[in-house]
Amino acid sequence: AQTVTQSQPEMSVQEAETVTLSCTYDTSENNYYLFWYKQPPSRQMILVIRQEAYKQQNATENRFSVNFQKAAKSFSLKISDSQLGDTAMYFCAFMIHRSQGNLIFGKGTKLSVKP
Amino acid sequence: DTAVSQTPKYLVTQMGNDKSIKCEQNLGHDTMYWYKQDSKKFLKIMFSYNNKELIINETVPNRFSPKSPDKAHLNLHINSLELGDSAVYFCASSLPQGGGYTFGSGTRLTVV
Repeated sequence: AQTVTQSQPEMSVQEAETVTLSCTYDTSENNYYLFWYKQPPSRQMILVIRQEAYKQQNATENRFSVNFQKAAKSFSLKISDSQLGDTAMYFCAFMIHRSQGNLIFGKGTKLSVKP
Repeated sequence: DTAVSQTPKYLVTQMGNDKSIKCEQNLGHDTMYWYKQDSKKFLKIMFSYNNKELIINETVPNRFSPKSPDKAHLNLHINSLELGDSAVYFCASSLPQGGGYTFGSGTRLTVV
């Protein structure tokens, strides 16, 4: 069975600084996808970034980037130049590569960006 | 122009009642899902439908029954509501091959 672990229940960062959220996962599969989702107080689930396991290059989306270490089964999210609007729950998620995938979520990290 | 829309956004009801949550997506996705987010914010899949056919049915009480009249709609009916059913329920849809989910805005169900 696949599991996703986020070891930091809560984190805080000063505005404009950089923060890294940790995620590890366990799987025997070789082809899969990894995601980070953001859930602000509005409750909406927003896709932040996506990584395909067969790609060695780390995904980036503007201020968001990942450090994907396949051998270590690690998938951390780096947020640069943190903004107040980044305050949210962040969920790491995993999906096996098949046509109808079940997204497996970690328990989330609550990030607070302080002015 | 909401991509995945759920109704209602909030639902407060008494124990023992039956209620439904509706979900519609206009993205042309073939696969739709119901997820439950508990009070600790943990998200877990309940059901998955592909082109109106049930493909994932996790260990969920049979008081929960999904229905997909067409591939753009996936509704969730809950019978005999219990206090423990209080949660946020998310509908989502996806493209195949790991394209990522698009979530609805969630329905906060409170059973009193």
